[in-house]
Amino acid sequence: ETGVTQTPRHLVMGMTNKKSLKCEQHLGHNAMYWYKQSAKKPLELMFVYSLEERVENNSVPSRFSPECPNSSHLFLHLHTLQPEDSALYLCASSQGTGRNEQYFGPGTRLTVT
Amino acid sequence: DQQVKQNSPSLSVQEGRISILNCDYTNSMFDYFLWYKKYPAEGPTFLISISSIKDKNEDGRFTVFLNKSAKHLSLHIVPSQPGDSAVYFCAARDSGANNLFFGTGTRLTVIP
Repeated sequence: ETGVTQTPRHLVMGMTNKKSLKCEQHLGHNAMYWYKQSAKKPLELMFVYSLEERVENNSVPSRFSPECPNSSHLFLHLHTLQPEDSALYLCASSQGTGRNEQYFGPGTRLTVT
Repeated sequence: DQQVKQNSPSLSVQEGRISILNCDYTNSMFDYFLWYKKYPAEGPTFLISISSIKDKNEDGRFTVFLNKSAKHLSLHIVPSQPGDSAVYFCAARDSGANNLFFGTGTRLTVIP
C-alpha cells in the first residue's frame, strides 16, 4: 500500500449505530487530519494530530471521537450520528503541521439514515 | 463565513487553450496558498503552492499568481489537456496555524 488509505470507502449507518472510520498513512509523516466535506461546502477541518497528540479540535460534536494510536494510524469513532452528518470524510497526513503539503486519502462516503 | 471563495463552480476549456481558475480570500493573515486537484473517487492531490512573499510560482504547465492587494489568486494551466479535467480546490493557511481553509472547488472540463 502506498500513500494514504481509508476504510471503508462507503458506510451506511443508522442513528443508533456505532462505527469507526480507519485511516493509514504509508508516507512516514508525523501529522494526521480528519476533514469533513458536505455537499456544496468547502472541506472543514475536524481534528489535527501531531506526533500522536491532538493539537486542534474545531468545535466538533462529541458524537465524533478521534483516536491516534501511532503516527501511521488514525481512527474516527462515530456514535449516535444525525442525518446531517452524512458527508465525505477525508483523512490527510503531512510532515509537520506547518507549510508542508497535506496528502489526502480517497475518503469515506458516510450516509446516516 | 467562508474565508476562501471560488465563485465559479465550473469551467469548460478547449484542449490546448489556457485554463484560468480563480480564488478570492478575505483573511489578510493568510500567508501560504495551495491548489489541490481532485478526481472522482479519489482524495485531493497537491498541485502547486505559493508563499505570500512571492507573486508567481511556476511548475511546468501550471502557474499560480498571487495578488495580495486584491486578495486574489489564480491558477493558469497551459496548454490544457483532457487529463486536467477534475475539481480544483484553492486552500490557504493562516500564519502559524494548523488549519487549511478550502474553497468549494471549481470543476474544470477540458474538451478534446
